[in-house]
Amino acid sequence: QVQLQESGPGLVKPSQTLSLTCTVSGGSISGGSYYWSWIRQSAGKGLEWIGHIYTSGTTIYSPSLKSRVTISLDSSTNQFSLKVTSVTAADTAVYYCARDRDYGDYDSWGQGTLVTVSS
Amino acid sequence: QSVLTQPPSASGTPGQRVTISCSGSSSNIGSNYIYWYQQLPGAAPKLLIYKNDQRPSGVPDRFSGSKSGTSASLAISGLRSEDEADYYCAAWDDSLSGPVFGGGTKLTVL
Repeated sequence: QVQLQESGPGLVKPSQTLSLTCTVSGGSISGGSYYWSWIRQSAGKGLEWIGHIYTSGTTIYSPSLKSRVTISLDSSTNQFSLKVTSVTAADTAVYYCARDRDYGDYDSWGQGTLVTVSS
Repeated sequence: QSVLTQPPSASGTPGQRVTISCSGSSSNIGSNYIYWYQQLPGAAPKLLIYKNDQRPSGVPDRFSGSKSGTSASLAISGLRSEDEADYYCAAWDDSLSGPVFGGGTKLTVL
C-alpha cells in the first residue's frame, strides 16, 4: 500500500516562495501510470486542485495558479515537490499530496500539512 | 464558488438512508467519471466511490454512487454515527483540463 507524506515549512512570509515535498513510500514514483498531485484546502473551505505531474514528467497546472506554480519529480529520492511563488495570505491552506490513478481518482493521500502565509 | 454544486449540509438519524447530490455540466460530470470522497474531522479525504459507482476495498456496501447526465448522487444507507463527515464529489473537467470538486456536504447524524 503506497503512502505519501508532505514536508516543508509551516510558515512562509508574504511575497516569498512556498516549497513542499511529498515523499512516496511503498511503491516507485516512476512505476505505473499515475498523476502525482497537489491539492489544497483553505480553512473551512473545499478542495482546490493545484496541479499534477505525470509519471513521464509532464505537468498540468490549475489555470488560476499556473503563473506561480511548479511541480517537479525526483525518481532518485521517490519524491515530488511543489513550489508556489509570490505567496499571499490567500495561499494559507492545508496542502495535500495525492496519487491520481485516472483523472480525479485519488486513491492515496498524504496527511496534509498546514502552511500559513504571514509576516 | 465551486464548479460542482453540492448542498452544504445533510442530516439523518441512525439507520436512515441519506442521499447527497452533485450537479455539474457537460464538460465534467456529463462526459467523465464522478468520484466521491469522505473527509472525517481533522483527516485527509478518503476515496469512497470511484468511476461513478465502484467501491474501493474496505468501503462498506452501505455507500453507493450513481450518475445520470450531468448530475450524480451518493447514497448512504443504514446511517451510523461514524458517517458524520464532509463529503466531496469530484470529476475531471475537459474545459479546465483538470479535476473540479464540489463545495462539500457536511453530514450530521442526529
